[in-house]
Amino acid sequence: NAGVTQTPKFRVLKTGQSMTLLCAQDMNHEYMYWYRQDPGMGLRLIHYSVGEGTTAKGEVPDGYNVSRLKKQNFLLGLESAAPSQTSVYFCASRTTVRSSYEQYFGPGTRLTVT
Amino acid sequence: KQEVTQIPAALSVPEGENLVLNCSFTDSAIYNLQWFRQDPGKGLTSLLLIQSSQREQTSGRLNASLDKSSGRSTLYIAASQPGDSATYLCAVRPRGGATNKLIFGTGTLLAVQP
Repeated sequence: NAGVTQTPKFRVLKTGQSMTLLCAQDMNHEYMYWYRQDPGMGLRLIHYSVGEGTTAKGEVPDGYNVSRLKKQNFLLGLESAAPSQTSVYFCASRTTVRSSYEQYFGPGTRLTVT
Repeated sequence: KQEVTQIPAALSVPEGENLVLNCSFTDSAIYNLQWFRQDPGKGLTSLLLIQSSQREQTSGRLNASLDKSSGRSTLYIAASQPGDSATYLCAVRPRGGATNKLIFGTGTLLAVQP
């Protein structure tokens, strides 16, 4: 049981380049989330999904797109990277079982946009 | 708008001390509050989750309390050890609006000196 995994762990992009971050979970969780973590600002929600084929905007969605084609995977895309998107990105998932609302986090992807 | 604050931002204690970390939130309309631990360069590990109807949760040397009416939670760590050194984050899941998100504080960086 690997929990929540993220690829890649590190990436450096030039302004204007595109990339996709992959999140995978093997816990059969319905809900998945993408957050970014910036110094002094805490974690902020980018997009989330409540099930396969669904996505919704979070707090800071601009410049990002997401897809949830399979229940176990949640992809975060940057179509045209900007230096303001330099951050650490975390994926999380949780079950819908009422007794357990904990979110489980991946190890993060450190992205630098130059 | 829900805001979560953690004070102090950093704390250094000698090994063996009992300590308290504080978390405050501005809106008492929450489903639950969750405490996380984050090690440098790593993801978040869930420590304790307190439902809005609960007053406290315990796990080993950790005890988290919740006073929803005053908008406060504390994380008590007994007999601290150098291995407890990490950043501790609290997050609330608000009621109403987009409930599928957590609002995070900016964390308390704890250093336990041997």
